[in-house]
Amino acid sequence: AQSVTQPDIHITVSEGASLELRCNYSYGATPYLFWYVQSPGQGLQLLLKYFSGDTLVQGIKGFEAEFKRSQSSFNLRKPSVHWSDAAEYFCAVVLISGNTPLVFGKGTRLSVIA
Amino acid sequence: DTEVTQTPKHLVMGMTNKKSLKCEQHMGHRAMYWYKQKAKKPPELMFVYSYEKLSINESVPSRFSPECPNSSLLNLHLHALQPEDSALYLCASSQEWGAGAGANVLTFGAGSRLTVL
Repeated sequence: AQSVTQPDIHITVSEGASLELRCNYSYGATPYLFWYVQSPGQGLQLLLKYFSGDTLVQGIKGFEAEFKRSQSSFNLRKPSVHWSDAAEYFCAVVLISGNTPLVFGKGTRLSVIA
Repeated sequence: DTEVTQTPKHLVMGMTNKKSLKCEQHMGHRAMYWYKQKAKKPPELMFVYSYEKLSINESVPSRFSPECPNSSLLNLHLHALQPEDSALYLCASSQEWGAGAGANVLTFGAGSRLTVL
């Protein structure tokens, strides 16, 4: 069955520390891959996306993600976290063939401490 | 304009009320979506409209009635809701529905927080 897994429900990092949020998918072929961020009580904002080509993609707010086909992973990274990065992060995938909806992971809540 | 606007931001209604949620976008997108999101959960797809026609209904109860009067507007009519329907309702849009990179990049609104008493 197709699935998206975010293994970490909650992560706490210190401000200025590096961050990596994990995402693994289980699909028959490489899907399109996304990371969204949601601040409390807000909608979702697209951080970055991977369709094809360079496996290291840059996004907004200093985030990047690396697609690793061999590991079926699309992990999100940031070298130095700011307090304003505290939010819920969702990995999402969709089949390239289309006509199927976006599938979200369960999310990882990021807390940032001083 | 790169936004999806949802109104109202907050709505409190009784189980016998009839109310509506409204969503508007002026990006020329031809696909629009309704999602329901409970606390600490990912969004769950409810409906997809493509070119103003309903393309997907994820077995949503009939007390939720979507409407797409034109390519820029999407409504969700609510009637006889239950307390468990209390949630954040998110609207989203994309260039198209279906295959292709542009079809799958969703822009979300800030949501309407619904409380059913």
